[in-house]
Amino acid sequence: QKEVEQNSGPLSVPEGAIASLNCTYSDRGSQSFFWYRQYSGKSPELIMFIYSNGDKEDGRFTAQLNKASQYVSLLIRDSQPSDSATYLCGGTSYGKLTFGQGTILTVHP
Amino acid sequence: GAVVSQHPSWVICKSGTSVKIECRSLDFQATTMFWYRQFPKQSLMLMATSNEGSKATYEQGVEKDKFLINHASLTLSTLTVTSAHPEDSSFYICSARDLAAANEKLFFGSGTQLSVL
Repeated sequence: QKEVEQNSGPLSVPEGAIASLNCTYSDRGSQSFFWYRQYSGKSPELIMFIYSNGDKEDGRFTAQLNKASQYVSLLIRDSQPSDSATYLCGGTSYGKLTFGQGTILTVHP
Repeated sequence: GAVVSQHPSWVICKSGTSVKIECRSLDFQATTMFWYRQFPKQSLMLMATSNEGSKATYEQGVEKDKFLINHASLTLSTLTVTSAHPEDSSFYICSARDLAAANEKLFFGSGTQLSVL
């Protein structure tokens, strides 16, 4: 079993809609979770990180963590075409950050 | 946010040659840096953890003699792909964690696209 798994998509939403990206992890000892956005041919950029149960909001982005269910999600409100990218969920375990396979999001006008 | 500089951005080399990639944390110190590899349309795969002043820790399946890692200072780690072959062609990305930060955020370099002919 992979340490971090994402719903691989691809996910397509209309402009203005909410995009929901999901991730599960296997190591109960994982402390911190991250969402990175990666445009094609570019390096990942950090969008959100979360380490406490519950929700964390930053602008149009909300990360949700449920440690009991070993589940992490990212909601993008008012999706824009510029949000179209691959989203990587990462979790830390034993000091290492490992990633899920990524979810390709397309926001169409 | 913290800045991680990686270069070269791209390199083309002949099969059998060695290529060195540098990763520098510009405005923070990092005792630990990580090297990832990414093949087209795939996720980032952790290759190794680079520890300042000590040997790197390699992930299962990664040849330590082929991918030499040196972390000689708190701001610089290098990855050398020795005797590169076409199957080593990939996007290599380094990342670093701010020693002074209370969280585990990683900052990524801009990546190096390696093409081995």
